[in-house]
Amino acid sequence: KAGVTQTPRYLIKTRGQQVTLSCSPISGHRSVSWYQQTPGQGLQFLFEYFSETQRNKGNFPGRFSGRQFSNSRSEMNVSTLELGDSALYLCASSEDRVYGYTFGSGTRLTVV
Amino acid sequence: DAKTTQPTSMDCAEGRAANLPCNHSTISGNEYVYWYRQIHSQGPQYIIHGLKNNETNEMASLIITEDRKSSTLILPHATLRDTAVYYCIVIPNAGNMLTFGGGTRLMVKP
Repeated sequence: KAGVTQTPRYLIKTRGQQVTLSCSPISGHRSVSWYQQTPGQGLQFLFEYFSETQRNKGNFPGRFSGRQFSNSRSEMNVSTLELGDSALYLCASSEDRVYGYTFGSGTRLTVV
Repeated sequence: DAKTTQPTSMDCAEGRAANLPCNHSTISGNEYVYWYRQIHSQGPQYIIHGLKNNETNEMASLIITEDRKSSTLILPHATLRDTAVYYCIVIPNAGNMLTFGGGTRLMVKP
């Protein structure tokens, strides 16, 4: 069974640009969550999607958005990038939370 | 969601059992205890979860006290590859996102 796939693995962007990250969940998993990990703040929840609907949202500014497609693949978008957005962005999928989440390897975003 | 308290770091000798404690004194009756670990530069990995009974799988054992206010994750024979940050998380079964604390940095030494 293929795991959670995140693309790209690494990304360098300039301040003010926008970026889109992609996540393909495990086949059959309908819940997809996104997390940001930084050395200072640790792992923080961004949002969760289930069947194309945002089910939960963390405490992040509106520059962070996401969506989920009918095949459960998800994308997150960050607009007007700031230096502080440099982080490892992790995607996790679940059948529906009950059996735990499976995380991808993440996308490391560097904003210069 | 209940908060958890874990030691910042622990050492363990290779081949010995690693016992990682977690306090969750404000846990509610419907909240599960989940353990994840994160090996450097990888995504967190699910290890085990439980409600009130002790649980065991191929990776680890989870011991939950009778009052459910604390738990211990046991890696029976730690290897160098078990060096990671271990997170104890408490969430409702059908509820929320994972709230990660600082975790315990386990260093397995030869």
